[in-house]
Amino acid sequence: QAQLVQSGAEMKKPGSSVKVSCKASGGTLSSYAISWVRLAPGRGLEWMGGIIPVFGTTDYAQKFQGRVTITTDESTSTVYMELSSLRSEDTAVYFCARGNTMVRGVLSWFDPWGQGTLVTVSS
Amino acid sequence: DIVMTQSPDSLAVSLGERATISCKSSQSVLYSSKNKNYLAWYQQKLGQPPKLLIYWASTRESGVPDRFSGSGSGTDFTLTISSLQAEDVAVYYCQQYYSSPLTFGQGTKLEIK
Repeated sequence: QAQLVQSGAEMKKPGSSVKVSCKASGGTLSSYAISWVRLAPGRGLEWMGGIIPVFGTTDYAQKFQGRVTITTDESTSTVYMELSSLRSEDTAVYFCARGNTMVRGVLSWFDPWGQGTLVTVSS
Repeated sequence: DIVMTQSPDSLAVSLGERATISCKSSQSVLYSSKNKNYLAWYQQKLGQPPKLLIYWASTRESGVPDRFSGSGSGTDFTLTISSLQAEDVAVYYCQQYYSSPLTFGQGTKLEIK
């Protein structure tokens, strides 16, 4: 059964960048989409964007456009999410999640999800 | 953006009783040509990632107990737990995948009365 395993917790300064990884184990990424969703205190779940690794196509939420970059390394079945110009409001748990490309490309329900990566932004 | 609004924000139900959570979208998520509603439901327990329960508004994910059911169409949807069990304590979210950006409801916290 496919699992998504994320990198560990990060502590960052305001203005810096963070790069979180998501590795697929027990399968490959080739026929799926991977999205990034964050859960911030008091703000619920927010979709940031997604990628279809086999095509390299991406779709980003307008809110994060210009600050988020999602990339993939198919040789290691790993997807990366980099968020730049960090501010305190970016403190959140970041999840990667697999989507079904047969639905509407990146637009899909999500299953499974990674375990989550806590990113704390503080001076 | 499609805004997803859940009600109530929190809910306390006795064990064995029915729990009902509502989700309304600011525009229809029914894709008419396919006659499918692009809506999913998730359960998130404390310290865990969300778990998919329902997709296409009413299709139960494999392995999900049949006490969980989804209904509705267009802009109005419901998640029902027919007989609440202790392990159902969690936050529940709806999500639309009709258009970008994908959006979630604010969550409904379900507790035992």
